[in-house]
Amino acid sequence: DTEVTQTPKHLVMGMTNKKSLKCEQHMGHRAMYWYKQKAKKPPELMFVYSYEKLSINESVPSRFSPECPNSSLLNLHLHALQPEDSALYLCASSQGTLGLAGKGDTQYFGPGTRLTVL
Amino acid sequence: GQQLNQSPQSMFIQEGEDVSMNCTSSSIFNTWLWYKQDPGEGPVLLIALYKAGELTSNGRLTAQFGITRKDSFLNISASIPSDVGIYFCAGRLGVYNQGGKLIFGQGTELSVKP
Repeated sequence: DTEVTQTPKHLVMGMTNKKSLKCEQHMGHRAMYWYKQKAKKPPELMFVYSYEKLSINESVPSRFSPECPNSSLLNLHLHALQPEDSALYLCASSQGTLGLAGKGDTQYFGPGTRLTVL
Repeated sequence: GQQLNQSPQSMFIQEGEDVSMNCTSSSIFNTWLWYKQDPGEGPVLLIALYKAGELTSNGRLTAQFGITRKDSFLNISASIPSDVGIYFCAGRLGVYNQGGKLIFGQGTELSVKP
């Protein structure tokens, strides 16, 4: 089973709203990722959690706040977003992040949350 | 930053034709991954390659990890309408502890005419 689930599927929010995106995996993976993707472009890495600790923040604005409550769950808290933040937000997971050759770093993506900021 | 050059950017083919796309880089990679993405969905892993020279098939799909570790190709044989989508290559640099980062190609958009 290589399933990563994300909720909600679609989200529309105003610039003053606070909302959260959720991601879950039950593959025993210890690394989880948030990506942002614009139409027909490759995913752009936002955050990496390794063993429930934030290991990479790709200079993401503070209006995006990640949280990893446990090894299976990953949240992305949203506050005071801008219309240009509208995109597909993808979660992914992998066994690890060490970069050694092998299956451990292969990332599996969820279906994404389509976010529209009005 | 690191870049992967993926080509072609788009392809319009007839059903039944074979398809070939590739990714190249000036950097050495220790993993190559090929994903397919349908509109509004997340990327789905098609093939993963972990060793230089490795040739792997998944049904009508075949991918190879270049012997120089700087390139990879994906072939699709006898295309069908459901092959339509955007195909992304992604690589892991051959450097220890890159923190899980993947470098993505810009994608190949495939259209198939029935």
